Amino acid sequence: DAKTTQPPSMDCAEGRAANLPCNHSTISGNEYVYWYRQIHSQGPQYIIHGLKNNETNEMASLIITEDRKSSTLILPHATLRDTAVYYCIVRGTQGGSEKLVFGKGTKLTVNP
Amino acid sequence: NAGVTQTPKFQVLKTGQSMTLQCAQDMNHEYMSWYRQDPGMGLRLIHYSVGAGITDQGEVPNGYNVSRSTTEDFPLRLLSAAPSQTSVYFCASSSILAHEQFFGPGTRLTVL
Repeated sequence: DAKTTQPPSMDCAEGRAANLPCNHSTISGNEYVYWYRQIHSQGPQYIIHGLKNNETNEMASLIITEDRKSSTLILPHATLRDTAVYYCIVRGTQGGSEKLVFGKGTKLTVNP
Repeated sequence: NAGVTQTPKFQVLKTGQSMTLQCAQDMNHEYMSWYRQDPGMGLRLIHYSVGAGITDQGEVPNGYNVSRSTTEDFPLRLLSAAPSQTSVYFCASSSILAHEQFFGPGTRLTVL
């Protein structure tokens, strides 16, 4: 079973920040938080990951609470192409050898 | 660098037929895996491999066989297709020490 809880859907206006929440209250000390997205039935695409500290890359920012029980993915200036299902996943520290467990994710719709 | 490729893109089978879904990657990744995705659901892991000659079962392995004779290829075999195997199949690969998994474009399979 997925170890995360996400809202099933969210809307965002184009150009505004999209803040996608994720609860992972049972996360272990050695587990990372990963975010992937899936655009219109394409293969999932890696976005970002983090352990304790906040992370930022060219796609998004990841804010992890101090107790690590929840996190927020931030798309700073959402575009129509960001419409997708976003998956929040927790996983151990073994890199690629640890399997990803996908929940149902959050369907983000960016509106013009 | 083609990344992860999957063939065919679409396939229709009759119940009881067998077939092989092909997956190849050109990134020299040790880890490869197969997922299936049913409508409105997240991805579920079928089988995975951490290197040539090594395979293991995921969450939903029944009805599927895999082998890993080379680093590049990880075919998924359906021995006797059933309507319940109608799904979209994704292959993924990653370096054992890396955090990002790369997904193929998927194979859409219909079993009549």
